[in-house]
Amino acid sequence: SAVISQKPSRDICQRGTSLTIQCQVDSQVTMMFWYRQQPGQSLTLIATANQGSEATYESGFVIDKFPISRPNLTFSTLTVSNMSPEDSSIYLCSASEGDEQYFGPGTRLTVT
Amino acid sequence: GESVGLHLPTLSVQEGDNSIINCAYSNSASDYFIWYKQESGKGPQFIIDIRSNMDKRQGQRVTVLLNKTVKHLSLQIAATQPGDSAVYFCAEINDSGTYKYIFGTGTRLKVLA
Repeated sequence: SAVISQKPSRDICQRGTSLTIQCQVDSQVTMMFWYRQQPGQSLTLIATANQGSEATYESGFVIDKFPISRPNLTFSTLTVSNMSPEDSSIYLCSASEGDEQYFGPGTRLTVT
Repeated sequence: GESVGLHLPTLSVQEGDNSIINCAYSNSASDYFIWYKQESGKGPQFIIDIRSNMDKRQGQRVTVLLNKTVKHLSLQIAATQPGDSAVYFCAEINDSGTYKYIFGTGTRLKVLA
């Protein structure tokens, strides 16, 4: 199974600023995903990030707010732009090996 | 740290008893299902999966049952241990080829000593 790491593990940011979250996979994977998990809630898919193409965003999420990079088969970044307190959440990346998805530990973001 | 299961339904089970966690899924065309375990401060961890052409699959201490007629999935944990305390999510793939998961609402399992 793929091992996934994320940086930072947590951050406290001021409203109006942006934060870039990094996701590193220990093997080459075609598909990576970014999720948001608000306190006490389930996971909501933000976007699918495939290497060599633009990310595909789910309803309610837009590229201007959550730009994503996927420069190679082991790495992706998610930026949370112009943050507001409503963006306070856990952000998780995952990588797909066939049907199975493996998750990183998450980045806990607090916006003040 | 803050629990991801603060507002989720909670199942409390005595240590050593069996646990049954239920999940209703949304799409009758979904063909692949997974159960994940999420401990506080960690990402979801794969437990067991099942395809739609099966109705039961067993792992080590865990069994997943799939009832396609009523779109219901359950996770059975035998001889529940304190280390099983976590939030459990089911997930379905309902758009074959995209590998996109739809996650259920989750259940918090508390194991009582």
